Amino acid sequence: KNEVEQSPQNLTAQEGEFITINCSYSVGISALHWLQQHPGGGIVSLFMLSSGKKKHGRLIATINIQEKHSSLHITASHPRDSAVYICAVMEETSGSRLTFGEGTQLTVNP
Amino acid sequence: SAVISQKPSRDICQRGTSLTIQCQVDSQVTMMFWYRQQPGQSLTLIATANQGSEATYESGFVIDKFPISRPNLTFSTLTVSNMSPEDSSIYLCSAGDRGQFFGPGTRLTVL
Repeated sequence: KNEVEQSPQNLTAQEGEFITINCSYSVGISALHWLQQHPGGGIVSLFMLSSGKKKHGRLIATINIQEKHSSLHITASHPRDSAVYICAVMEETSGSRLTFGEGTQLTVNP
Repeated sequence: SAVISQKPSRDICQRGTSLTIQCQVDSQVTMMFWYRQQPGQSLTLIATANQGSEATYESGFVIDKFPISRPNLTFSTLTVSNMSPEDSSIYLCSAGDRGQFFGPGTRLTVL
């Protein structure tokens, strides 16, 4: 069992739909990242969370530390949101090293 | 925040050769990391690049294959040595006390 599991692995949506990507982890963490990776390979950090909820534009990230679960929501999705979304956790005992989920491939159709 | 650049952005190399990837951060950072992402896989940490001392390698990665330099607080290099097609991957540099800044990646293809 992976320490970080994401669901779904693949997600296809129509433009305008509300999207949720889930991340569950099995270890104690000091922070959780949501990352976006475009086809060229470069990664952009969307959020870093240690508790509660953060919002940036149409993106919302939540985390429940007790349940070891985080969600990334995209409101009013757009084709430019098409990318791989990756959840990564910083384990309490590992300093600044990150453990990554396998990613969710999101495709938003016009 | 920090901006990270990597060079080269992509390369196609012959089996048995070596490639050095550069990672430059626009501000001083304590922690720098090198990751590999094989096709269709998630990212895997290769090593933590320590300034002024040897890098700390993860299980399955060795210095002879992936030598790393970290001469100062803004720069690091990763060399992929004696390449084989299995080394074809995206190599990513990240930095920051929480590992939160990522470079654009280097896409390596080994023929």
